[in-house]
Amino acid sequence: EVQLVESGGDLVNPGGSLRLSCAASGLTVSNNYMTWVRQPPGRGLEWVGRIKSKAVGGTTEYAAPVKGRFTISRDDSKNTLYLQMNSLTTEDTAVYYCAREDNWTFESWGQGTLVTVSS
Amino acid sequence: DVVMTQTPLSSPVTLGQPASISCRSSQSLLHSDGNTYLSWLQQRPGQPPRLLIYKTSNRFSGVPDRFSGSGAGTDFTLRISRVEAEDVGVYYCMQATHFPFTFGPGTKLDIK
Repeated sequence: EVQLVESGGDLVNPGGSLRLSCAASGLTVSNNYMTWVRQPPGRGLEWVGRIKSKAVGGTTEYAAPVKGRFTISRDDSKNTLYLQMNSLTTEDTAVYYCAREDNWTFESWGQGTLVTVSS
Repeated sequence: DVVMTQTPLSSPVTLGQPASISCRSSQSLLHSDGNTYLSWLQQRPGQPPRLLIYKTSNRFSGVPDRFSGSGAGTDFTLRISRVEAEDVGVYYCMQATHFPFTFGPGTKLDIK
C-alpha cells in the first residue's frame, strides 16, 4: 500500500524559508513522477510543481506563482521528496500535499502539512 | 492556462437519489495522443483529495461503481447513481492535458 507522509509545515514570517518533506512507503520515489499540490484555507486546489522519474531525467517543473522561489528535490536513500520554499509571502499560506502522479493524474495523496506565512 | 469551471458550485441532494456535476474547460482536453486527461477527485471534510475517475471515464481502484464519468472535448460530467452519506464533500475536476495542470473550483455536495 502506498503511503505518503508530509512534514515540516510551520508558521513562518514573510520573506522566510521552509522545507517540506514527504516520506514515501510502498513506492520508490525515484521511479515515479511526484507532485506537490497546495490548498489555501477554505479554498480549492492548486498544482505547485513536480519532479519526473529518474528514468526520464528527474527534471522539475513549476507553476508560475512559485517558479524561482520553490525547488523540488528528492533523496533516494531516504525515499523522500522535498519542497524547498524561499521568499515566502502570505499568498503561500496553504496545506501542502504531495502526491504520486500516474496515468496523467494524481493517484495517491498524503495527508498534507500546513504552512502559515504571517508576521 | 486552461480554466476549469464547474456547475453547480453547491448541490444539496437527497440520500438515494442521483447527482451530477458538470465541468467545462476553456480548451479542448483531447491530447495529441488521443487520450483526454480529465480526472475527478473527491475531498471529504478534513481529508486529503482522493482520486475517483481518470481519463474521463475510468474508475480508480476501490471506487464504488455508483460513480461514473463521461464527456469529451470541453464538457464533462461526474454522476453518482445513488448518493450515500459518505459521498458528502467537495468534488474537483482536474485537467492534465495542458501544462500546467489545473483544477476546477470545486462543487460542494451535501445532504438535504
